[in-house]
Amino acid sequence: QKEVEQDPGPLSVPEGAIVSLNCTYSNSAFQYFMWYRQYSRKGPELLMYTYSSGNKEDGRFTAQVDKSSKYISLFIRDSQPSDSATYLCAMEKESSASKIIFGSGTRLSIRP
Amino acid sequence: GAGVSQTPSNKVTEKGKYVELRCDPISGHTALYWYRQSLGQGPEFLIYFQGTGAADDSGLPNDRFFAVRPEGSVSTLKIQRTERGDSAVYLCASSPKLSSRRGYNEQFFGPGTRLTVL
Repeated sequence: QKEVEQDPGPLSVPEGAIVSLNCTYSNSAFQYFMWYRQYSRKGPELLMYTYSSGNKEDGRFTAQVDKSSKYISLFIRDSQPSDSATYLCAMEKESSASKIIFGSGTRLSIRP
Repeated sequence: GAGVSQTPSNKVTEKGKYVELRCDPISGHTALYWYRQSLGQGPEFLIYFQGTGAADDSGLPNDRFFAVRPEGSVSTLKIQRTERGDSAVYLCASSPKLSSRRGYNEQFFGPGTRLTVL
């Protein structure tokens, strides 16, 4: 069993819809929870990070972490065609120079 | 400013050959990481350098893989006797010096080198 599980999709929604992406994990030692966006033939870029449990909002994006359930989510409001990409959840045990454990990624397509 | 750069962007080689992949981190970043991303998968950790030394090489799959960072800046990932299963995108990332400030020490990724072993 992988440490981080993520539905690979693909997920296709119309422009303006609310998108919900999620991951589950098994290692309770994870403290930092991240969401990366990766466009085709590009490296991942950090969208948001959350430390421990709770919610974090940044513009149209909201990240939620529920450590008791070992479940994290990313919500995208008012989705745009430019949001079409692969979204990777990721986790770390500590922030100071440690390895990131990634989910397999969900491919998202926003239809105009 | 310049981000992480990786060369070559694409590398095609034959089974059994030796390859070197280069990573130029962001200037001043002390930590450097290598990840491997297979098709349809997330990146998988290979090795991490703090300065010139490998602080964690637990992700290297076998002894055909080796990485160096002799001057604490540029790093080279070396793969001997390549196999078809080594075909993947090899990603490099760097992060700034460790800080006592609270917050997240972000890893900045390069575009990757796409390795194809025929």
